[in-house]
Amino acid sequence: NAGVMQNPRHLVRRRGQEARLRCSPMKGHSHVYWYRQLPEEGLKFMVYLQKENIIDESGMPKERFSAEFPKEGPSILRIQQVVRGDSAAYFCASSPGAGVNQPQHFGDGTRLSIL
Amino acid sequence: GESVGLHLPTLSVQEGDNSIINCAYSNSASDYFIWYKQESGKGPQFIIDIRSNMDKRQGQRVTVLLNKTVKHLSLQIAATQPGDSAVYFCAESTGNQFYFGTGTSLTVIP
Repeated sequence: NAGVMQNPRHLVRRRGQEARLRCSPMKGHSHVYWYRQLPEEGLKFMVYLQKENIIDESGMPKERFSAEFPKEGPSILRIQQVVRGDSAAYFCASSPGAGVNQPQHFGDGTRLSIL
Repeated sequence: GESVGLHLPTLSVQEGDNSIINCAYSNSASDYFIWYKQESGKGPQFIIDIRSNMDKRQGQRVTVLLNKTVKHLSLQIAATQPGDSAVYFCAESTGNQFYFGTGTSLTVIP
C-alpha cells in the first residue's frame, strides 16, 4: 500500500467527541475515496472526492459525517459526536484520473475505537 | 445497493496447490472488476483487474476469469504460497462507485 498515507493508524475517542481521519493520496492522484469496514465484512463506500469537490457522497450517513479534500493538504473525514457504532476501520483510496474504472490504491486504514 | 458475494467464506489449500476463489455479482451493467488481497491490519492491495470486454486476464501467478452470462468472477492463484494467506475481495463497478464483496479467507497450509 505504498503511497497512500493515512493517519492516525489507531484513534480512540469517547462518545460525543470528534474524530478526524486524514488521508494523503499517492503522488499524482487527484481522486480520493473513503470506505468503512466492519470486522468480518467488506468495504462500504462512503464518499468520493476530487480536489475541492465532493463528487459522490451517497454512502455517507446524513448526520455527523463530513469529508473534504482541500486544494492543499490531505483529505479529511470528520465524524462529530461519535457513538459506539462508529467503531470501525476507515480506509482511504486514491486513483490518478477521472472515473471510477481504474484501480484504486488503498492506505492501511485508521482503526477508530469509541469508548 | 448492489450485491457482490462470494461463494466460499473460507478456503484452505496446501502449499503448492492452485487456489480458486469465486465471486458472484448481481449488476449486469457492471463493466469493471478488481480483485484485492487484504492481510491482517493492512489495507486492500490491488491484485488484478478485468474489464467487461474481456473474459480472461493473466498476471504473475494469478488469473481472473469473467463469465458475464452467469455474472461470475473467479481468481485463480497458481502454486499457492504461505504469503498468499489473506482475505480476498472482489469489487465491481458500473463507473459510479465500487461495491465490495464480503471476502474469502484463504489459508495456505505448509
